Amino acid sequence: EVQLVESGGGLVQPGGSLRLSCAASGFTFSSYWMHWVRQAPGKGLVWVSRINSDGSSTSYADSVKGRFTISRDNAKNTLYLQMNSLRAEDTAVYYCARDGRVDDYGDYWGQGTLVTVSS
Amino acid sequence: SYVLTQPPSVSVAPGQTARITCGGNNIGSKSVHWYQQKPGQAPVLVVYDDSDRPSGIPERFSGSNSGNTATLTISRVEAGDEADYYCQVWDSSSDHWVFGTGTKVTVL
Repeated sequence: EVQLVESGGGLVQPGGSLRLSCAASGFTFSSYWMHWVRQAPGKGLVWVSRINSDGSSTSYADSVKGRFTISRDNAKNTLYLQMNSLRAEDTAVYYCARDGRVDDYGDYWGQGTLVTVSS
Repeated sequence: SYVLTQPPSVSVAPGQTARITCGGNNIGSKSVHWYQQKPGQAPVLVVYDDSDRPSGIPERFSGSNSGNTATLTISRVEAGDEADYYCQVWDSSSDHWVFGTGTKVTVL
């Protein structure tokens, strides 16, 4: 059974940093592209970032470029999102999603982890 | 950047058909995917590649895509179909996923 479990969310002050993790199981993690998607309270889904299967290629939404870094450890079956210079508008539930094909759609999603940026 | 527009809400009686549109410039040339999200839960893929269903998704969910509009159709609507629905495409020009604005489906 495919499972994606996010962790690392919490309350952080503006300007602070946080690292999210997404532990994958039930599939060959190293064969799949992965994404982060966020959802602000009461709002819609917004794509954040993606990484290819071996970690050599990444892409970011303009709103997070230069502040967030996506990475992965295929030996540990884990996806990461390092978030720096956090702003109030980064407050959201962050989901990791497996790409069902190359850069196409999310066929499995984690349950999400809440990040709150507030003083 | 590429924009996908959905109606904010759709209301439908049980047993009837709900149609949710997703508008985008020449969207018919792209593959459109649809997600269902119930309150407090993660999104679930219900249709991919315009009209294909993942395993476990009822045949009541179907999709089409042509011109500037893609449509998710839910036939014989049930109370359990009440949720938010999002369309999504991959925008090749930006190498980004793009989500629609979302549609809340209410079962009367």
